[in-house]
Amino acid sequence: RKEVEQDPGPFNVPEGATVAFNCTYSNSASQSFFWYRQDCRKEPKLLMSVYSSGNEDGRFTAQLNRASQYISLLIRDSKLSDSATYLCVVPTGGGNKLTFGTGTQLKVEL
Amino acid sequence: DGGITQSPKYLFRKEGQNVTLSCEQNLNHDAMYWYRQDPGQGLRLIYYSQIVNDFQKGDIAEGYSVSREKKESFPLTVTSAQKNPTAFYLCASSIAAVEETQYFGPGTRLLVL
Repeated sequence: RKEVEQDPGPFNVPEGATVAFNCTYSNSASQSFFWYRQDCRKEPKLLMSVYSSGNEDGRFTAQLNRASQYISLLIRDSKLSDSATYLCVVPTGGGNKLTFGTGTQLKVEL
Repeated sequence: DGGITQSPKYLFRKEGQNVTLSCEQNLNHDAMYWYRQDPGQGLRLIYYSQIVNDFQKGDIAEGYSVSREKKESFPLTVTSAQKNPTAFYLCASSIAAVEETQYFGPGTRLLVL
């Protein structure tokens, strides 16, 4: 299994839809996980941190399943402005570095 | 305002030339990182530094060099040994190196003439 694996998409959804992305990881020792958002030709920006079973911030919910080694990101009531690539990030190398997934592209349409 | 700055935004390299990318942070973070991103690919770690005067190779260090003489600065040199340097280079920093959130600068796009 790759260290971090994501479905590249793209996910094309209508405005107002609920969409979910999954991310699988191989390092079972990881304690914290992150979702970043990256707009086209820009730097990644932190969306959410996940330290226990999950985290919720407004329309965004991240859930962690340690037994199956996957993290999910749920976006409710999608906005046009949510269109971006979402990167799943997992600590590796004994926790001294982060490994980034290749990202899942989301396109929210009218 | 606290943050991470990278310069230049665009950089052009000629064959056989070494170029240096600047990264500065005023967040008082101990750890700093350099990543490379190619189109349609994820970020790959080039070098990282957990503390001043110390740094470690990442996954793709060949053809690159770094220094960490000051806490605020972590410049990356792309040497002539790097045969495929065209990419988007991102610098990041975190409070410490262990499982901490990393914050990114705006990036430098390097193109080969």
